[in-house]
Amino acid sequence: GAGVSQTPSNKVTEKGKYVELRCDPISGHTALYWYRQSLGQGPEFLIYFQGTGAADDSGLPNDRFFAVRPEGSVSTLKIQRTERGDSAVYLCASSPGGGDEQFFGPGTRLTVL
Amino acid sequence: QKEVEQNSGPLSVPEGAIASLNCTYSDRGSQSFFWYRQYSGKSPELIMSIYSNGDKEDGRFTAQLNKASQYVSLLIRDSQPSDSATYLCAVNEKHRGSYIPTFGRGTSLIVHP
Repeated sequence: GAGVSQTPSNKVTEKGKYVELRCDPISGHTALYWYRQSLGQGPEFLIYFQGTGAADDSGLPNDRFFAVRPEGSVSTLKIQRTERGDSAVYLCASSPGGGDEQFFGPGTRLTVL
Repeated sequence: QKEVEQNSGPLSVPEGAIASLNCTYSDRGSQSFFWYRQYSGKSPELIMSIYSNGDKEDGRFTAQLNKASQYVSLLIRDSQPSDSATYLCAVNEKHRGSYIPTFGRGTSLIVHP
C-alpha cells in the first residue's frame, strides 16, 4: 500500500517568508508526528497529533511554528517569518496508534536563504 | 532532560562480522524501544521494536533490552556492505500523557568488503 508522502520534497525560501509543508499519512493511521532533523543529529520531535487534535505540541520551538490536521488525515506544518536557523529536513511519520512503530515519509528539505 | 545516548561512530566492521550498536536512555519509565536505519539522504526506516527484557531476533538482526541497566542494543550478524548506514535508537517516553519518541543522534556503521 501507499506509504507516507510529503510535499514538496525541497523548498527554498527567503528569510522572512511563510512556508507550508504537507504530510499525507498512511490511510487509517490515527497518530501523526512531525520532526526536524539537522545534519548529524537524530530527528527532533515537534508535534504529535492523535486524530484531529494536537496531543502534544511541546516540541514546537516558538510561535512561528504551527501545525494542523483538520480532518484527521493530511497535516500541514506552517512556518511564519522563516529564519536561516529553520533550515533542516522536516520529517513526518504516522503510526496506527500513539506509541506504536512509526513509518516515516521521505521528508521535506527546507533551505532558508 | 530525558536523553537517549548513542556513540556517533563511525563503527567500522569487515564484511561478515557482527556489528554491535549500543544505546542508553535516562527515563526509567520507558516501555517501548525501536531501532531505525537511515541511509544517507533518506528517511528513517524501522528495523526492530522491543518491549520486554531479553533478546528479540529477526533474521540477521537481534535487539537486546535491559531495563535495569537502561540499555538497548542492536546486533547485526553477517554484516553486508548494504548495511552501511546510520542506526537510530528511539525510546518512547511519557510526556503530557502521551508516549513521544526521543531519538539518539545515531551511530554511523561502515561495513567494508
